Amino acid sequence: GEDVEQSLFLSVREGDSSVINCTYTDSSSTYLYWYKQEPGAGLQLLTYIFSNMDMKQDQRLTVLLNKKDKHLSLRIADTQTGDSAIYFCAESIGGATNKLIFGTGTLLAVQP
Amino acid sequence: DTEVTQTPKHLVMGMTNKKSLKCEQHMGHRAMYWYKQKAKKPPELMFVYSYEKLSINESVPSRFSPECPNSSLLNLHLHALQPEDSALYLCASSHGTSGFTDTQYFGPGTRLTVL
Repeated sequence: GEDVEQSLFLSVREGDSSVINCTYTDSSSTYLYWYKQEPGAGLQLLTYIFSNMDMKQDQRLTVLLNKKDKHLSLRIADTQTGDSAIYFCAESIGGATNKLIFGTGTLLAVQP
Repeated sequence: DTEVTQTPKHLVMGMTNKKSLKCEQHMGHRAMYWYKQKAKKPPELMFVYSYEKLSINESVPSRFSPECPNSSLLNLHLHALQPEDSALYLCASSHGTSGFTDTQYFGPGTRLTVL
């Protein structure tokens, strides 16, 4: 199947860390992505990880990949109110013209 | 520069109208994509163009007609749409060339309302 699951909602206080989880299904995925979508806007690429990596850090963002469990997570350190948005994980299946399968999306609400 | 532009930002049309959505990128990408996104749902792939040729059509109704006139432009022609076609239409592009990480970059979308 092609279901990519995420929890629907996460609420954190400003300054805390946020962890958004994603479970994917295709073990042949080459890259896994995190996108951010603010209300009424398009998708902003945050980061991605190659399937042979366990971890990737990019400033406040840390991506962890557990390929055995097909589990991906995004940790946002020092979460700010501007981080409030919907976060989508996505797995790529296919070659150079890849097909992205998006997760169900997690709404992150940051309380001041 | 990782910018994908889309016009118009908003579009309201009747069920008998013909309209077009436009997408443009100048990153030298050879793959371009149309997605449809309903409220509170993830984007759903509609079409993929690779080197200006249609490579994937996800069984989209014929009232949506894509066109890729050159490597920088992607259009979506709309005709006889239904109210349930109201959604955010997103365009994306990627390198589409082997040897590159094929990350997709998205435009801001066109918010379409069909009356």
